[in-house]
Amino acid sequence: AQSVTQLGSHVSVSEGALVLLRCNYSSSVPPYLFWYVQYPNQGLQLLLKYTSAATLVKGINGFEAEFKKSETSFHLTKPSAHMSDAAEYFCAVSEAGGTSYGKLTFGQGTILTVHP
Amino acid sequence: DARVTQTPRDKVTEMGQEVTMRCQPILGHNTVFWYRQTMMQGLELLAYFRNRAPLDDSGMPKDRFSAEMPDATLATLKIQPSEPRDSAVYFCASGLAHSGGETQYFGPGTRLLVL
Repeated sequence: AQSVTQLGSHVSVSEGALVLLRCNYSSSVPPYLFWYVQYPNQGLQLLLKYTSAATLVKGINGFEAEFKKSETSFHLTKPSAHMSDAAEYFCAVSEAGGTSYGKLTFGQGTILTVHP
Repeated sequence: DARVTQTPRDKVTEMGQEVTMRCQPILGHNTVFWYRQTMMQGLELLAYFRNRAPLDDSGMPKDRFSAEMPDATLATLKIQPSEPRDSAVYFCASGLAHSGGETQYFGPGTRLLVL
C-alpha cells in the first residue's frame, strides 16, 4: 500500500528566505508524485508532478522538487519565499497500473506561513 | 479555460435533512473523485468513478452517503440523513486517467454545515 508523510504540519519562513517542505513516500512500485497547493477557500491546484522523467521537476510560481529514490523523498523547495506563497501544500502519490491508477494518496498537508 | 464546477458553494442545513452536491467534471475527463476535507481528518477520498462506473466507495459511510454519475457531465454526492459530523468541505476532482500520473483537477468545493 502506498502512503505519504509530510514532515511538519506548519512551516514558517521570512519573505525572501528559502522554502523547504518535506515529503516522504512509501510505494511498492515506482511512484508518480505530486505537489498540490491550496489557497484559503479554494480547491487544490497542481504545483508540479514527477512521472519518471527528470528527477528534478520544476513547477509553477518558482517551486521545484527533487525525486530521490534512495531516500524515498520528494521535497518541495523555492529559493525565495513571497507573501503570496502562504497556503497549504499537499504531497501525493499515485501508482501506475492496476485498477487504481489515477487514484491519489495525499499527505496531511503543511501550512506555510510567510512573514514580512 | 476548462474547470470543474461544483454546486452549491455553501450549504447550511439542519440535522436529518437530505443534502445533494453536484459536480460537473471537465469535458472529456474519464475519472471523477469525491473528497471530504476537515481540520481533524484532512483530505479523505470518499469515492471515485471511471467512465461513470463506481470503482471504489470504501471511504464513504454506506448507510447515509451515496454517489452517482447519471451521465458523463454530472456527478452527485448525496447525504441522507445528514448529521453534524458531516460538516466539512466536499471537493470534486476530475482527470483523464489511462495509466497513472495524470493530474486531478479540483473544483472549488462545497462547504457544508449541518446544524
